[in-house]
Amino acid sequence: GQNIDQPTEMTATEGAIVQINCTYQTSGFNGLFWYQQHAGEAPTFLSYNVLDGLEEKGRFSSFLSRSKGYSYLLLKELQMKDSASYLCADGGATNKLIFGTGTLLAVQP
Amino acid sequence: DADVTQTPRNRITKTGKRIMLECSQTKGHDRMYWYRQDPGLGLRLIYYSFDVKDINKGEISDGYSVSRQAQAKFSLSLESAIPNQTALYFCATSVFRGYTFGSGTRLTVV
Repeated sequence: GQNIDQPTEMTATEGAIVQINCTYQTSGFNGLFWYQQHAGEAPTFLSYNVLDGLEEKGRFSSFLSRSKGYSYLLLKELQMKDSASYLCADGGATNKLIFGTGTLLAVQP
Repeated sequence: DADVTQTPRNRITKTGKRIMLECSQTKGHDRMYWYRQDPGLGLRLIYYSFDVKDINKGEISDGYSVSRQAQAKFSLSLESAIPNQTALYFCATSVFRGYTFGSGTRLTVV
């Protein structure tokens, strides 16, 4: 089976750095995804990790450790528009995405 | 036009009614999915299809059925809607890793 855990809510300050953690347990692994979702809107793709290490894309970076079943999303130079839910998802053994419950990030001035 | 289009965007229906949510895509992807989203529960997979002749149940398929009419079309039906099916429903398509989501259908069952 698959079990994905991430914090429910986080708060951070504009201009700061925030790290959102995700742990997963899966019977098969096909990559770890991060999506951003603003309230009432569709999720949008942020990053994908299949090998261990850090993937950097502008202000956003994502890290994966397969041996620890652990990933994090790092957001730098936070902006107010980064206030959203961040969804961790496991590609699983059968190529269908299984999502965690999401982390609601509030960026304060 | 959007790559993945869901209709309707919003719908209010009565308990016991049959309702169909439609999804069409222009990305040419074989794989299509239906998810529902409830506050605090994240996105949960209802049904998925890897090609026109392939239909699979997800983690919460009870009370739902689907039809894959063509590569581009994947419909979700609620045969007899009940209030706890009130949720935000998303259709998605993928090829290998890239998932694209529709804008969602907000369904309210009263």
